[in-house]
Amino acid sequence: QKEVEQNSGPLSVPEGAIASLNCTYSDRGSQSFFWYRQYSGKSPELIMFIYSNGDKEDGRFTAQLNKASQYVSLLIRDSQPSDSATYLCAVNNFEYGNKLVFGAGTILRVKS
Amino acid sequence: DVKVTQSSRYLVKRTGEKVFLECVQDMDHENMFWYRQDPGLGLRLIYFSYDVKMKEKGDIPEGYSVSREKKERFSLILESASTNQTSMYLCASRLPDTSGGNQPQHFGDGTRLSIL
Repeated sequence: QKEVEQNSGPLSVPEGAIASLNCTYSDRGSQSFFWYRQYSGKSPELIMFIYSNGDKEDGRFTAQLNKASQYVSLLIRDSQPSDSATYLCAVNNFEYGNKLVFGAGTILRVKS
Repeated sequence: DVKVTQSSRYLVKRTGEKVFLECVQDMDHENMFWYRQDPGLGLRLIYFSYDVKMKEKGDIPEGYSVSREKKERFSLILESASTNQTSMYLCASRLPDTSGGNQPQHFGDGTRLSIL
């Protein structure tokens, strides 16, 4: 069973702070890692993906991957109330038929 | 931009009915997926299709079937709807994965299905 674990939250941060969202996965064969944002009642939208160890930055978002520790994180700098949403971590395993396995998501609340 | 369109945002059906959920994508993606999303359980894969007329079971296929007669369209069928199939249903599509597995899935707006 492929597993992706996320703290359900809610994670509350003040406006302007850095929000740190974490995700661990069980299968060492996992190769690609995705972060989706989902607003209440809406469908998931892709924020970033990463497949090499290290950091990948896109605007206010930074994804961090550590395959040895089986850990991927998403940092949101200068958090805004509009960032309040559920953040889904998803992991792709090529040998698992290229299917994504999703975590249950972390609820982020940015307070103004 | 990728556009994945699901036929209904909200749907109410009765137990025992045969229910069809339709999904169309406009980006010539080979791979298409059906998920359901329930509070606390996250997204669970029901069925997926690598290409036209191909289908594979996901993690929770019981009570569902699918049809992929054309590349752009992937239909989910509830053979005899039951109350435990009340859920949010999400369709997604993507290009085929390369060996790096880095093709993202793009989601439709979802169908909130209630079975009474």
